[in-house]
Amino acid sequence: QKEVEQDPGPLSVPEGAIVSLNCTYSNSAFQYFMWYRQYSRKGPELLMYTYSSGNKEDGRFTAQVDKSSKYISLFIRDSQPSDSATYLCAMSDNAGGTSYGKLTFGQGTILTVHP
Amino acid sequence: DGGITQSPKYLFRKEGQNVTLSCEQNLNHDAMYWYRQDPGQGLRLIYYSQIVNDFQKGDIAEGYSVSREKKESFPLTVTSAQKNPTAFYLCASSIWETEAFFGQGTRLTVV
Repeated sequence: QKEVEQDPGPLSVPEGAIVSLNCTYSNSAFQYFMWYRQYSRKGPELLMYTYSSGNKEDGRFTAQVDKSSKYISLFIRDSQPSDSATYLCAMSDNAGGTSYGKLTFGQGTILTVHP
Repeated sequence: DGGITQSPKYLFRKEGQNVTLSCEQNLNHDAMYWYRQDPGQGLRLIYYSQIVNDFQKGDIAEGYSVSREKKESFPLTVTSAQKNPTAFYLCASSIWETEAFFGQGTRLTVV
């Protein structure tokens, strides 16, 4: 069983739709959670960063973390064709402050927003 | 502009050859990382380094080697012992927080 599971999709939605992307994980020590967006043949770019449980909003993007269920989500409101990309969840336990940046990734979800 | 620069963008390797991928950052980050990305498998950690002259193996270190002689630089060598090297290689860096910032990647192909 992988430490982080992410539905690879692909996911295709019409422009303006609300998109929900999800990851589940098994390591209860994870406490830092991130979402990255990756365009084809490019490096991932950080979208959202959350510590522990709760919600965080940034423009059209909302990240949710439920540590009790070991489940994280990314919501995209009013989706645009420019949102078409692969979305990767990532997480870290940062044990003792010595493993910063040592991220464990999900497989990525391929999203297409069509006009 | 601050960032992470990977070179080359595309690299071709013949069977039995060692090749070295370059990664340079001017973000003054202490930690640097190498990940490998294959279709449908997300990113897997090869090596990471938290300070100069020190580095640790990640989950898939076999067939790879690294050095960290300068804070700004973390080159990755793909050796002939790596039996399936064709992949997209990503370098990243971070400070003590856990957000990692990535370069634009090097696509390595065995010919």
